[in-house]
Amino acid sequence: GEDVEQSLFLSVREGDSSVINCTYTDSSSTYLYWYKQEPGAGLQLLTYIFSNMDMKQDQRLTVLLNKKDKHLSLRIADTQTGDSAIYFCAEGEILTGGGNKLTFGTGTQLKVEL
Amino acid sequence: NAGVTQTPKFQVLKTGQSMTLQCAQDMNHEYMSWYRQDPGMGLRLIHYSVGAGITDQGEVPNGYNVSRSTTEDFPLRLLSAAPSQTSVYFCASSYEWRGDYEQYFGPGTRLTVT
Repeated sequence: GEDVEQSLFLSVREGDSSVINCTYTDSSSTYLYWYKQEPGAGLQLLTYIFSNMDMKQDQRLTVLLNKKDKHLSLRIADTQTGDSAIYFCAEGEILTGGGNKLTFGTGTQLKVEL
Repeated sequence: NAGVTQTPKFQVLKTGQSMTLQCAQDMNHEYMSWYRQDPGMGLRLIHYSVGAGITDQGEVPNGYNVSRSTTEDFPLRLLSAAPSQTSVYFCASSYEWRGDYEQYFGPGTRLTVT
């Protein structure tokens, strides 16, 4: 079955870059996603990358995908206190009847210190 | 659009009680899902639906029932609550666009079973 792993915690200083890493096992995943969860809230889609891409940049966010090593990373440039949250990576599997099933990692708690 | 709404926000049940968690979306999305979030385990798929009248089991379906009589609503029923079902429950809806499915999450229902 699919398995997605992340480190549990990351602490950075405001203004520095944050890099959150994720490894996954299902090589048939079509899309890989990064979600953000703020305290007491639902999940917000930050960005995603198609499995045949190596990199995607979206403003302060850069996603790198190493398909050979099944490694995904999210880099947040100029990290701000508002970026403090839990970040989940997820791999998507298209279902036969339609829709997709997401398998989530355990989440990485990002703490941004002044 | 209200997006994905869930009620209640919080619920405490005694072991053996039954209840229904409500989920509704007003975006005319075909696909809807229920996930549970437990500490250190990320989100796990309970049940999903690819359209009105069609449901299927996810990764952790035991102890839960779903039905989808309309496109808008996807209630999750706990038949006989157990302490192991203490969790945060998220409903999500999605639509297909160019081969991808962006999932929109509700704010969650925090359930405690004593």
